[in-house]
Amino acid sequence: QVHLVESGGGVVQAGKSRRLSCAASGFFFSSYAMHWVRQAPGKGLEWLAVISDDGSKNSYSDSVKGRFTISRDNSKDTLYLQMNSLTSDDTAVYFCSKVDGESIFDSWGQGTLVTVSS
Amino acid sequence: SYVLTQPPSVSVAPGQTARITCGGNNIGSKSVHWYQHKAGQAPVLVVYDDSDRPSGIPERFSGSNSGNTATLTITRVEAGDEADYYCQVYDSTSDHFVFGTGTTVTVL
Repeated sequence: QVHLVESGGGVVQAGKSRRLSCAASGFFFSSYAMHWVRQAPGKGLEWLAVISDDGSKNSYSDSVKGRFTISRDNSKDTLYLQMNSLTSDDTAVYFCSKVDGESIFDSWGQGTLVTVSS
Repeated sequence: SYVLTQPPSVSVAPGQTARITCGGNNIGSKSVHWYQHKAGQAPVLVVYDDSDRPSGIPERFSGSNSGNTATLTITRVEAGDEADYYCQVYDSTSDHFVFGTGTTVTVL
């Protein structure tokens, strides 16, 4: 059974950095692209970034491009999101998700809350 | 950028049918996926590729997609179906993944 567990959330000051992790189990991690998605308080789901199965390709939403970096360590079955220059608009629950096929987010973690304080 | 528009809310009595629309430019040419999201929980895929259901999802959930509108239909609605629902597509033009604005389903 697929299991995704995000960690690394917490309170961080505006302008600072934070790295989130997503530990994967129950599937062959290195065979699947992975995504980060977030939900700000009272808002909907927002796609942030995707990384290919081997980590050679990625893509970002316009809202985080240049500030956030998605990466993975297939030897550790772990996905990462490095977040820099954080603002209050980045306050959200951050989810990692496994992708099936081209674009189906078929499994999700429970999320980790990041609160950016000014 | 590609935009998906959903009604903010849909209310339905138990046992009745809920229909949630997802509007996008020529969305009928794309594969649409639908997610159920309850507060504090992980989102759950309920329909993929317009109308297919993952294993474990009741037949009460179905989808369709044509023209500029995709629709998620929930028949014989139950109290446990109360949740936010999101449509989602991949936009090859921008190489971005797009979620709809979300619809809150309330069971009266």
